[in-house]
Amino acid sequence: EAEVAQSPRYKITEKSQAVAFWCDPISGHATLYWYRQILGQGPELLVQFQDESVVDDSQLPKDRFSAERLKGVDSTLKIQPAELGDSAMYLCASSFAGEQYFGPGTRLTVT
Amino acid sequence: QQQVKQSPQSLIVQKGGISIINCAYENTAFDYFPWYQQFPGKGPALLIAIRPDVSEKKEGRFTISFNKSAKQFSLHIMDSQPGDSATYFCAASIASGTYKYIFGTGTRLKVLA
Repeated sequence: EAEVAQSPRYKITEKSQAVAFWCDPISGHATLYWYRQILGQGPELLVQFQDESVVDDSQLPKDRFSAERLKGVDSTLKIQPAELGDSAMYLCASSFAGEQYFGPGTRLTVT
Repeated sequence: QQQVKQSPQSLIVQKGGISIINCAYENTAFDYFPWYQQFPGKGPALLIAIRPDVSEKKEGRFTISFNKSAKQFSLHIMDSQPGDSATYFCAASIASGTYKYIFGTGTRLKVLA
């Protein structure tokens, strides 16, 4: 069964350092999403791609976060510099015809 | 208007019982309503979804009931099992174009053995 792949699964970084997350969506899925999930809450959309184009990044803190999907396949989300409040689960999802599938997530801890 | 309100926040059910989780929305443009199941440390997994042209959809022990006039939908888990213990999220989206999802706040379900 095809799955959304994410790496790393866990990341511990110090405040002010840079951190990057990678996502490989299910083959053929044109839409890719990055979400942030704080413990005990629902996922919140950070950025949405349709192929290589950004569809929605209205909730992305652009002073420190960036995302790219250069060839319309895999994607990278970067935080620079990381802050204590960025500690959360970062989830990638892809969708086809509305059915959205999530990866296992990256648990980020900023110390 | 973009919110999806989910209740209860937590739920404890005896094994074999029925678990019921409710969601309400305001935006009448929403027309795709999925439910996700999430275990600790894992990503959410699509469980079941409904479009508003039907009032109910059943898959195994999981049923979505949809009330378009009340702008509410609910998840029923029949014969609840300890393995169903997880956090459940409802979501809503507009089933055209870019499918932006709005998630509820989650319900933590515990099924007692």
